[in-house]
Amino acid sequence: NAGVMQNPRHLVRRRGQEARLRCSPMKGHSHVYWYRQLPEEGLKFMVYLQKENIIDESGMPKERFSAEFPKEGPSILRIQQVVRGDSAAYFCASSPGTEDPYNEQFFGPGTRLTVL
Amino acid sequence: AQSVTQLDSHVSVSEGTPVLLRCNYSSSYSPSLFWYVQHPNKGLQLLLKYTSAATLVKGINGFEAEFKKSETSFHLTKPSAHMSDAAEYFCVVSESWNNDMRFGAGTRLTVKP
Repeated sequence: NAGVMQNPRHLVRRRGQEARLRCSPMKGHSHVYWYRQLPEEGLKFMVYLQKENIIDESGMPKERFSAEFPKEGPSILRIQQVVRGDSAAYFCASSPGTEDPYNEQFFGPGTRLTVL
Repeated sequence: AQSVTQLDSHVSVSEGTPVLLRCNYSSSYSPSLFWYVQHPNKGLQLLLKYTSAATLVKGINGFEAEFKKSETSFHLTKPSAHMSDAAEYFCVVSESWNNDMRFGAGTRLTVKP
């Protein structure tokens, strides 16, 4: 059973371009979380999604950022018109979505975004 | 490589009494240490972090933690528990040079009325 996969592992964009980060959850997992890690900072929660639904987006910046988790395919975190301050590591985690409200989260290796 | 041990899988306190969640770490380098909280059906939320500045770190919601190098500990405390503190708490260590995070197994905090 493969773990959580994220691609690309490294992404370089110029200011004003779009960045698309993909996350494939573990097999059988229907919940996905996105986190951002700035240099020497901890993880900051961004968004929590279930298939085709955004459950909690309280950590998402109001502009330029969006996330989706379609019925088929990976979850996508999209950043439009990137700025230098978007440079960070973006981590995805998935959980099985059982009735346990403390679902254990399994983390992917992260995507390191660099904005030139 | 770094590692972290949370000494209690479950802690139960009464509302208004102190909270102590214990964490010991192992690291070959100067570690960064974090506490995260996971409320039911929510993502992880950063409570506080230590990154080689003051050893007593204050976080959100009245929590604080003290970095004790001699004891390799980073215990989380709060003077008075509130019902809304009921959650799962994770201690995390990261060696500054590689940013690789290691999570503890978690401590489930229950708060009784």
